[in-house]
Amino acid sequence: NAGVTQTPKFQVLKTGQSMTLQCAQDMNHNSMYWYRQDPGMGLRLIYYSASEGTTDKGEVPNGYNVSRLNKREFSLRLESAAPSQTSVYFCARYRAAYEQYFGPGTRLTVT
Amino acid sequence: GENVEQHPSTLSVQEGDSAVIKCTYSDSASNYFPWYKQELGKGPQLIIDIRSNVGEKKDQRIAVTLNKTAKHFSLHITETQPEDSAVYFCAAAYTSGTYKYIFGTGTRLKVLA
Repeated sequence: NAGVTQTPKFQVLKTGQSMTLQCAQDMNHNSMYWYRQDPGMGLRLIYYSASEGTTDKGEVPNGYNVSRLNKREFSLRLESAAPSQTSVYFCARYRAAYEQYFGPGTRLTVT
Repeated sequence: GENVEQHPSTLSVQEGDSAVIKCTYSDSASNYFPWYKQELGKGPQLIIDIRSNVGEKKDQRIAVTLNKTAKHFSLHITETQPEDSAVYFCAAAYTSGTYKYIFGTGTRLKVLA
């Protein structure tokens, strides 16, 4: 998956529970991204990180937090999950010259 | 805000025929236009891209065209095969601190054998 691994692959949460989605790249690229994918809405940017230690909000950041502690890893946290956060979550890394590569995704259901 | 419209949302073609998917973007600062193929249960995979200084790019059966004046870009797949069946996404990217991508809503392509 283009050098991006995501864990877990599937997760079911109850409303109000918290969890962290993990993403790691096996390259040494600066920029990493978190997207969510919902039917009929394409991919929407939640947060991104231009470099280690920096993060910025994307289009739909509410209800999420992120952490970029080192160059390899970029995690996404849901502090209090809501049914509206049921989605497929993709992490991506930016390689060079605009090229972006995606991980395999985490399928999250919040009941 | 920035927006990318993609049409059609679904497309069925006979094997061997051509398929065309079109996108329109709103932000004139966009200067990179990738296309992704997403198979069931997998992440999007970059299949071809085009930059703003180029009008057309080909890679075997796949081609992309860009009309910057009209803010249109299109994906062309010739001699379609069943394995081309997937969801295709277009995107428009621009630089704002880092690189930002706005995605279309996807086209489900079905190639009928």
